[in-house]
Amino acid sequence: DTGVSQNPRHKITKRGQNVTFRCDPISEHNRLYWYRQTLGQGPEFLTYFQNEAQLEKSRLLSDRFSAERPKGSFSTLEIQRTEQGDSAMYLCASSGTSGGPYNEQFFGPGTRLTVL
Amino acid sequence: GIQVEQSPPDLILQEGANSTLRCNFSDSVNNLQWFHQNPWGQLINLFYIPSGTKQNGRLSATTVATERYSLLYISSSQTTDSGVYFCAVDAYTGNQFYFGTGTSLTVIP
Repeated sequence: DTGVSQNPRHKITKRGQNVTFRCDPISEHNRLYWYRQTLGQGPEFLTYFQNEAQLEKSRLLSDRFSAERPKGSFSTLEIQRTEQGDSAMYLCASSGTSGGPYNEQFFGPGTRLTVL
Repeated sequence: GIQVEQSPPDLILQEGANSTLRCNFSDSVNNLQWFHQNPWGQLINLFYIPSGTKQNGRLSATTVATERYSLLYISSSQTTDSGVYFCAVDAYTGNQFYFGTGTSLTVIP
């Protein structure tokens, strides 16, 4: 068990470009979550997958944002036509093991996005 | 959504001191977790505690679900305890967490 991993750890892009982030959850977890955190704030929920099904999306997830989890394992979060307001830390979490509380979420190290 | 309030927002302690962090939430919850966010942004799980009391070394936590609050106790604080502590709650089984704005703790030697 290597924990939740995210790539890249840092991304600098110019306004208007598209970016894609990847999250690899803990291997036996069937639930995966994306959050966004801006400076001085707590993380805010973006979206949730159970296996490959995207079951919940926040109003924060505008049309420029899309997330996938094609085989119920890793997930990608894509932001199209980035804006400076998209600059934030994007966090991924997973849960759903039979070895502990089913709903206990474990977080990855995050991807810090800077939009110039 | 559920409102989560944490207090105090900032806390400065001398090494060796004890502290209590509080988390109030606005509705009934099924799940509650405490996290420590280190300076690199990693959220580290401290407790999964939707109710009751747990202890792990110098840290302990109590959640009184019927009164909608949770407390995190840090005893004999160390400089490595510095960082931001978040409380997160979930009203529905496993769908999303609502986070508070955190308590920023600084432990000085």
